[in-house]
Amino acid sequence: KNEVEQSPQNLTAQEGEFITINCSYSVGISALHWLQQHPGGGIVSLFMLSSGKKKHGRLIATINIQEKHSSLHITASHPRDSAVYICAVRYGGSQGNLIFGKGTKLSVKP
Amino acid sequence: KAGVTQTPRYLIKTRGQQVTLSCSPISGHRSVSWYQQTPGQGLQFLFEYFSETQRNKGNFPGRFSGRQFSNSRSEMNVSTLELGDSALYLCASSLGGVPGELFFGEGSRLTVL
Repeated sequence: KNEVEQSPQNLTAQEGEFITINCSYSVGISALHWLQQHPGGGIVSLFMLSSGKKKHGRLIATINIQEKHSSLHITASHPRDSAVYICAVRYGGSQGNLIFGKGTKLSVKP
Repeated sequence: KAGVTQTPRYLIKTRGQQVTLSCSPISGHRSVSWYQQTPGQGLQFLFEYFSETQRNKGNFPGRFSGRQFSNSRSEMNVSTLELGDSALYLCASSLGGVPGELFFGEGSRLTVL
């Protein structure tokens, strides 16, 4: 069964802390997405990765294909980073389905 | 550049009715995909369209269907609504061809009574 596991489920941090959210998957994938969802529902795509590392502002995403693992890091966290972060993987080649993790709810306290 | 537009944003239906949701992708995007989000199951993939053809389908019953028009706008339909169909329905567009970055709409929140 193709699964996506995220950890932790919930995370509370103080403003300024370095945050890591993890995502593990079970079989080979063609791409991995990190998504951000704020209360109210809107989803924003943060990264799409197939290998290596990407950085955008205070956000860094890495993927290790051999270990079937990806991490999302937030440096110098801020209360506006409070959201649910969702990992999604595309199995079965570039035309495959997207499978989503359950999400990590992040709360950053001032 | 306008984002992905979903209509209606909120709707209430009763069991047994049918519903049609609309998604207008970002101009120039040829791929539209649909997702269901519920508190219990999280986000689940429904289907994906590219150039008016269904490219992929998730594990949902035949009551869930969709289509894409020549202008890339897409609709999804749910027939014979059940209480469990209450959810946030999201669509996302991408340039197309090889699946790439997804741009999501705000969603249509369906409540089935």
